[in-house]
Order: sequence, then structure tokens, then C-alpha cells
Amino acid sequence: DIQMTQSPSSLSASVGDRITITCRASQSISNHLNWFQQKPGKAPELLIYTVSTLQSGVPSRFSGSGSGTEFTLTISSLQLEDFGTYFCQQSHTAPHTFGQGTKVETK
Amino acid sequence: QVQLQQSGPGLVKPSQTLSLTCAISGDSVSTKSASWNWIRQSPSRGFEWLGKAYYRSKWYIEYAPSVKSRMTLKPDTSKNQLSLQLDSVTDEDTAVYYCVRLIGEGVLDIWGQGTLVTVSS
Repeated sequence: DIQMTQSPSSLSASVGDRITITCRASQSISNHLNWFQQKPGKAPELLIYTVSTLQSGVPSRFSGSGSGTEFTLTISSLQLEDFGTYFCQQSHTAPHTFGQGTKVETK
Repeated sequence: QVQLQQSGPGLVKPSQTLSLTCAISGDSVSTKSASWNWIRQSPSRGFEWLGKAYYRSKWYIEYAPSVKSRMTLKPDTSKNQLSLQLDSVTDEDTAVYYCVRLIGEGVLDIWGQGTLVTVSS
């Protein structure tokens, strides 16, 4: 299975901060990389698919980039509703595996 | 809009069968443009894909190797839903179970609300 590794595992930030989360794949996954946000006790929600395409309704402060094995999720100006846990997921090779998550907390 | 409503017990005894149902609204379980997946999440193992069902002129059902011998997925076109049965459960099956729609090239775009299933006597 393809291993997905996120860094950092957690971060503390303030409203208005720019934050970046990195996701690395154990082998090339081309552009088959998706990002999810999960709030406590809730199901994950799709934020970005195929590296950089925003899901409908997702604010433009979210962006994604990368290719091959290294990818990033950036939030340009963190808002209160953005706190939660973010997961990357590869959809290149079955089974479609997830990263372990990055928890974004208030500083 | 598409919604997935999960139902089923939250507590199952060891060695018994876990049964969950995913009722689909706003789409069809027999659509040819999506598959219907079950994924579980636990603190110890993270996300684990369990299986999927999809219709492409006939039904295809696939299972993860780790559960293949004891898992059954059944699409029900009359009720527009997908059911999951997992036999002979152990405490390692304790997790939050999600029903998820997959479209395009592997995009998990719609998730059910999740069901916490605890295996305990």
C-alpha cells in the first residue's frame, strides 16, 4: 500500500495566520491527491481534489499544490471555522490511503 | 443535494455480526457514475477502506483483503440503499464507520454522518 505521511502532526496558529501542511507519498501518485477537513465528532469533508481543485463551496483561502510525491495544503488567512484536523488522501492506487492527519489548534 | 443517512446499532458483542445501512437520497445506488464505499476510522489504525459496490450494467462488489472473508455488501435498488454486514467481530472492529460516495478519479465527495460501533460484551 502507498504510505501517506503528513507534517506537522499538529500546529498552533492564530486567526489570520498563513499555514501550510505537507503531505508526502511513499511513491509517485501523479496528481491524485485530495484533502479533507474533519471537525470533532463529524465526518470528513472534501476540501480539495486532484491536488488543487476546490470542492464547491470551499473558500478561496484554501489552496493546494504539488505533484509526484510531495504536496501542500495552504490556508492563506486562517479563520475560526478552519480549526480542526486535515487529512490528505491518495486516489492513485487502491487501496486509497490517508495520511495520519494534522490537527490545527488555536494558539 | 446528495445525502447519505446511516443507521444501525452502536454496540455489538464479540463474535456477532455488525450490520449497518446507508440510505441514499439525491442519487441512485445503481448510478453508473459513482461507487458506494464503506470506510472506517479508528484512533489506532486511522482510515481503512473496507469495500465498495457499483453498477456498470451489472453489479460489482469489492472488499479489502483484511475483511473479505467476513464482509458482505448488499445494494438494494428498491430502497436505494447499501447495507454492510461484518461477521465474527472482535474489539479490533471498534471504529467509526462511514458510507461514502466516490466519483470521478477516486474523489470521496459525499460522506454519511458516521456510526460509532463498539465491540464489547
